[in-house]
Amino acid sequence: EIVMTQSPVTLSVSPGERATLSCRASQSVSSKLAWYQQKPGQAPRLLIYGASTRATGIPARFSGSGSGTEFTLTISSLQSEDFAVYYCQQYNNWPPYTFGRGTKLEIK
Amino acid sequence: QVQLVESGGGVVQTGRSLRLSCAASGFTFSDYGMHWVRQAPGEGLEWVAVVWHDGGSKYYAESVKGRFTISRDNSKNTMYLQMTSLRADDAALYYCARDISSGWFDSWGQGTLVTVSS
Repeated sequence: EIVMTQSPVTLSVSPGERATLSCRASQSVSSKLAWYQQKPGQAPRLLIYGASTRATGIPARFSGSGSGTEFTLTISSLQSEDFAVYYCQQYNNWPPYTFGRGTKLEIK
Repeated sequence: QVQLVESGGGVVQTGRSLRLSCAASGFTFSDYGMHWVRQAPGEGLEWVAVVWHDGGSKYYAESVKGRFTISRDNSKNTMYLQMTSLRADDAALYYCARDISSGWFDSWGQGTLVTVSS
């Protein structure tokens, strides 16, 4: 099973600043990585797939990069609605599909 | 628009069974693989099971293999999760999610809560 490790667990950033979230896979997942955003009381929402492709309707301030075992989600200028928990998920080696434990992005 | 609505959750005793449903609308259901993903209170996301678009292939997480059965009825645009021998650690919010067979989940329902009591 591929283990996904996200860091940091919590990230405090001020609105308007850039946020950088990391995700590491225990073995290569090529570019088969997705990012999700989850707000309290809501279902997850797909942000990025294929490591760097934005899903439909996702603002351009969200960008993904990386391949192999190291991945990054960058939010270029944080808006109030971006404060949430973010999960990465690999779909290269399955079953199981595996998620990271999440990074909570909070307002500084 | 795409809509996924889960139902069937509730409070159940340890060792008993429960069947969850996921009703889909707004898209061609039979074109999509469908997954169950669960989230224990205050915890992260855990993939549970997938059924292929035609119901021909099914895969499970090790933690539920042999106890849970995923299925679908394309004539009813509905997916199911039959859960048996429920344990305390099965307690979670169960989401259904769709997958165009690429491995990422592009739409999710709002979830149905399963509580397991002793």
